[in-house]
Amino acid sequence: VQLVQSGAEVKKPGSSVKVSCKDPGGIHGSYGISWVRQAPGQGLEWMGGKVPVPGTAIYSEKFQGRLTLTADASSNTLYMELRGLTSEDTAIYYCARDCGKWERPHHYAFYYMDVWGAGTTVIVSS
Amino acid sequence: EIVLTQSPGTLSLSPGESGTLSCRASQSVSGSRLAWYQQKPGQLPRLLIFDSSDRAPGIPDRFSGNGAGTDFTLTISRLEPEDSAVYFCQYYGGSPSLIFGGGTKVDIK
Repeated sequence: VQLVQSGAEVKKPGSSVKVSCKDPGGIHGSYGISWVRQAPGQGLEWMGGKVPVPGTAIYSEKFQGRLTLTADASSNTLYMELRGLTSEDTAIYYCARDCGKWERPHHYAFYYMDVWGAGTTVIVSS
Repeated sequence: EIVLTQSPGTLSLSPGESGTLSCRASQSVSGSRLAWYQQKPGQLPRLLIFDSSDRAPGIPDRFSGNGAGTDFTLTISRLEPEDSAVYFCQYYGGSPSLIFGGGTKVDIK
């Protein structure tokens, strides 16, 4: 089981970044995929996630309106797009397999993450 | 929203000793929905414990989790130099968001 992320990015303030997470094993069919970021020297921050196929996106309130999570089933690839970048968005961005559950019909709860992509470094600098 | 406070900030211990890390929630959490991760410098987070006390596959029994309500602990027995890392707790009952603690750095010298 592995998740393969795209390479490092350097972006200007105000721009957008789109990070990919390739899921060669198709785990997204059965598992949610979370996106977590880590600023330099800081802790972990959950941004949002895609529930298992059909793949509704759920966002942390902090990133609502600025974050879009999508998936391309044909290539087993997930994407995280963050807009309106500032220097505070400089971080490593991880995709990770989530071990959540359908707690009731149409309600998937994200739990904990057991397989992580290698991370994508995003630097926002003028 | 629940806030997780981890203590101490840094724990310095010697090989062979045991250490206990604390994760305190600002309000009582749902069930035992707490996980622990280990992150060594320059590496990915690694899941150690889920559901407060269940070890993830491949995690040695030197790592044990406990707790309920607002107070959770991770105990590492028979510390080894390779256990030097930052340890994060994470709550997953506040759907939809997942919440992490600020981390505890463990130094084994």
